[in-house]
Amino acid sequence: DIQMTQSPSSLSASVGDRVTITCQASQDISTSLSWYQQKPGKAPELIIYDASTLESGVPSRFSGSGSGTDFTITISSLQPEDIATYYCQDYDNLPTFGHGTRLDIK
Amino acid sequence: QLVQSGAEMKKPGASVKISCKASGHTFTSYYFHWVRQAPGLAPEWMGMIYPRVGSTRYAPKFEGRVTMTSDTSTSTFYMDLSSLTSDDTAVYYCARDRGLVVALWHFDLWGRGTLLTVSS
Repeated sequence: DIQMTQSPSSLSASVGDRVTITCQASQDISTSLSWYQQKPGKAPELIIYDASTLESGVPSRFSGSGSGTDFTITISSLQPEDIATYYCQDYDNLPTFGHGTRLDIK
Repeated sequence: QLVQSGAEMKKPGASVKISCKASGHTFTSYYFHWVRQAPGLAPEWMGMIYPRVGSTRYAPKFEGRVTMTSDTSTSTFYMDLSSLTSDDTAVYYCARDRGLVVALWHFDLWGRGTLLTVSS
């Protein structure tokens, strides 16, 4: 089974900061990776798929990169509404989620 | 949108059937998935159904204990989980695959979730 390791597990940043979260796959998954944002009490929302494609309606301050085993999601200028937990999800084989990165405001 | 059935409380050993009604898109053109999330943990994919032909695929962890079905006449799909234990306490989400007619294995539309509590 593919294991997805996210880091950090939690992160505090200030409004306007550039924030980067990483996800590492235990084997090569090409670009079969998506990112989700989940706010408390809500379902996850797709924000990036195929490692770097922004889902329709997602603000352009979000971006994704990577291929193979190493991936990142970046928020170029953190906004208060970005406070959430972020999960990566591999779909090279059966879907597997990372353990999540909790992002809050410093 | 995807509208799920309400919260459930079950005893260990029982079964539960959760429904998800789709609207606003062509039901038989999409694959649908079930994903669960235990308190404080990451989401966990359980399986998938393609209502057009009724085909399913389940995560190995749930094989033999989960059954996914659909009713094209009502645009509703179901997840049946048997032999419940306290470890099955979680929010269960239905989700739509982003692909049209093809499974892309990531999810662009989610239900609001159904809380299942398993307790004696």
